[in-house]
Amino acid sequence: GNSVTQMEGPVTLSEEAFLTINCTYTATGYPSLFWYVQYPGEGLQLLLKATKADDKGSNKGFEATYRKETTSFHLEKGSVQVSDSAVYFCALSDRSGTALIFGKGTTLSVSS
Amino acid sequence: NAGVTQTPKFQVLKTGQSMTLQCAQDMNHNSMYWYRQDPGMGLRLIYYSASEGTTDKGEVPNGYNVSRLNKREFSLRLESAAPSQTSVYFCASSGAGGIYNEQFFGPGTRLTVL
Repeated sequence: GNSVTQMEGPVTLSEEAFLTINCTYTATGYPSLFWYVQYPGEGLQLLLKATKADDKGSNKGFEATYRKETTSFHLEKGSVQVSDSAVYFCALSDRSGTALIFGKGTTLSVSS
Repeated sequence: NAGVTQTPKFQVLKTGQSMTLQCAQDMNHNSMYWYRQDPGMGLRLIYYSASEGTTDKGEVPNGYNVSRLNKREFSLRLESAAPSQTSVYFCASSGAGGIYNEQFFGPGTRLTVL
């Protein structure tokens, strides 16, 4: 079945450090891939998405590239801020669009 | 435009009590979903409704029932709450479905069952 695997956290960084959160997936066909972010006490918000191979999603300085050959969708940001502290979820949606399959989430903590 | 709203935000129940979690969306979306979030488990799908009048089980449906009251509203009912149902519950909706299944989430309901 479909599944998503994320690197385990927590990830602790200093402000302006480079961020990578790894995400790999298992799916039949060609799923769409998403990164969601959850700030403390809030619901999930879509951060970025990619719907086909080699697509790059980007938003708020975050980027992720859909790599079909490595079945990966790693999240990167060149310079993190304290306000980026949150839980990040990688997710996929298969062609049926029934629901999203989420990874377990990675907690990011950025200190000044 | 409120997006997806959920009530209540917090609830404490005793084992065996029942309750209904309410969800509404004002984006004219066809599909709605209920997830639960537990530490270290990510989000797991409880039930979903692809369109008004239809509901289907997700990954963890046991102990829950749902009602798609109309296009806007999708409720989740716990008939006899158990401590294992202590969790944060999120409702979500999506419009296009398929590969464009971008979902919009509500703020969540934090439920504790004693």
